[in-house]
Amino acid sequence: KAGVTQTPRYLIKTRGQQVTLSCSPISGHRSVSWYQQTPGQGLQFLFEYFSETQRNKGNFPGRFSGRQFSNSRSEMNVSTLELGDSALYLCASSWAGTGLEKLFFGSGTQLSVL
Amino acid sequence: DAKTTQPNSMESNEEEPVHLPCNHSTISGTDYIHWYRQLPSQGPEYVIHGLTSNVNNRMASLAIAEDRKSSTLILHRATLRDAAVYYCILRDGFSGGSQGNLIFGKGTKLSVKP
Repeated sequence: KAGVTQTPRYLIKTRGQQVTLSCSPISGHRSVSWYQQTPGQGLQFLFEYFSETQRNKGNFPGRFSGRQFSNSRSEMNVSTLELGDSALYLCASSWAGTGLEKLFFGSGTQLSVL
Repeated sequence: DAKTTQPNSMESNEEEPVHLPCNHSTISGTDYIHWYRQLPSQGPEYVIHGLTSNVNNRMASLAIAEDRKSSTLILHRATLRDAAVYYCILRDGFSGGSQGNLIFGKGTKLSVKP
């Protein structure tokens, strides 16, 4: 069974641009959650999608958004990039997103904003 | 949102047992205790989880206090490959899937000396 796939692996953008990151969950998993990881703040929850609906959202500005498609693949978008958005963005999938289940993480997308 | 507290770092010698503590004094009755670890340049990987009883798997053991306000991840014989950041998080197992704002914190960085 293929794991969680995130693309691209690395990305370089400049301030003010926007970026879209992609996450393909494990086949059959319907819950996808996104996280931002920085050296200063650690791993922070961005949002979670289940069956194309956002169920939970972390404390991030509206520039951070996401969506989920009918095949459970998810994208997150960051508009008007700021230097502080430089981070490793991780996604995780599980079958239904309950606390009974394991989370499976991808290797992440390393975003650098110049 | 339920939060956990872990030491910033710990050291161990190779082939010795390691006990990684986690405090979660505000845990609710439906929260599962999950442990994940993150090796350098990788996404977090699942280690173990439990609700009330101690749990064992091929990777580790999880000891949960009787009042559930703390838990300990036990690596029975640390290897160099176990050097990683270990995260203890709480996940609601009975909310119908809505996990709220998952809080990872900064975890415990485990160093293993040969």
